[in-house]
Parts: sequence; C-alpha cells; structure tokens
Amino acid sequence: KAGVTQTPRYLIKTRGQQVTLSCSPISGHRSVSWYQQTPGQGLQFLFEYFSETQRNKGNFPGRFSGRQFSNSRSEMNVSTLELGDSALYLCASSPWGDSGSYNEQFFGPGTRLTVL
Amino acid sequence: QKEVEQDPGPLSVPEGAIVSLNCTYSNSAFQYFMWYRQYSRKGPELLMYTYSSGNKEDGRFTAQVDKSSKYISLFIRDSQPSDSATYLCAMHLHQAGTALIFGKGTTLSVSS
Repeated sequence: KAGVTQTPRYLIKTRGQQVTLSCSPISGHRSVSWYQQTPGQGLQFLFEYFSETQRNKGNFPGRFSGRQFSNSRSEMNVSTLELGDSALYLCASSPWGDSGSYNEQFFGPGTRLTVL
Repeated sequence: QKEVEQDPGPLSVPEGAIVSLNCTYSNSAFQYFMWYRQYSRKGPELLMYTYSSGNKEDGRFTAQVDKSSKYISLFIRDSQPSDSATYLCAMHLHQAGTALIFGKGTTLSVSS
C-alpha cells in the first residue's frame, strides 16, 4: 500500500505570495491532518479534515486554510506569506474518523517551504 | 508553560548503550501517549503508543507512562547507529479529534 504523498517536496516563495500544498492520503483513509514543524515551535497542529469538512482547527491565523476533496485528497493554502511561515508542512492520514478516540496517524515526508 | 516539555538534547551515546528519553506534560486529561521517530528529511513514524498509565514493550523499545507524575519515558536497549534520529513524544486529548500535541523532540546520535 502506498504511503502518504505530499507535493511539492520543496518550495521557495517570497513574502506576500500565496502557496498551495497537496496531500494524498493512504488509500481508504478518510481523515487528513496538517501540521507545521519549525525548530522553534516543533510540530504544531494546523487542522483536520474528514469527509470534506474541517473537523478540528489549531491556533493558527486565518491565512492558513485547507480543503478536502471527495477522494480524501487535501490541500492547504497559506496566503500573504510571512518569513515566519518557513517550515516543514506535514500531512498525516488516519484510517477512519472516530473523533473521540485515538487513531494512528501516518505522516507523509512533508513539504519544505522557504519564504524569502 | 507548554503543554508538553521535552529536552531537545542532543544526546550522544555509544552503540549498545541504554537510552532514556523523557517528556513531561501539564494536561491531566491526556489519554494516549505516543513516541514517534523522525529521520532527517522524513516524516515522523509511530514507534509505540500507550493508553493511560503503564508500560509497553516492543523489541528493544519500552514505553512508560506515569500519569500521577505527568511523565512519560521511552527506553531503547542495545542502541544501534540506525537509531540515530529525532524522537518526538506526542499526546492525544479525547475530545480534540485527531489533533496530537507534540514535544519538540530529542535528537539522538548513536556512534559505532
């Protein structure tokens, strides 16, 4: 079974631009979560999508948004990029959607975003 | 105070050593406790998870959770150079959906 794939793997943008990152979950997985990883803050939860609906959201500004398609693929968008948005953005998929219990999350390799 | 605290290291040990990695946390509502391993330029991969307090063993790895002290540990026996990676503890809150709260990670280097 193929793992979680993320595209692109590396991205360089300038301040003020916007960016869209893509994530394809493991086949059959319906929940997709996004995380931001930086040396200073570590891994931080951005949001989770299940059945095309945002089910949970972390403490990030509205410049960070996402969506999920009917095939469970997900995209996240960051508008008006700031230098501090430089990070590794990780996508994780889970087998099913019981939001009240732990489901193992499988991480992709991430997209390394550099904002100049 | 962050919800999850983890010493970033780095931690350097010789091959064959026993490694102890630890995290403390502040939210007593956490129910699931996980350890992830992350190699350079890769995403985190789940090593072990534990529900509530107690010990769990998987090969050379042992995870311990002490909810009374809000303290979790990962022990690696007979450490190998291939264990060189960043180890992240993570915790799950029952009512938080799939969101995980991570420690910042400890970088481990095992020399041969």
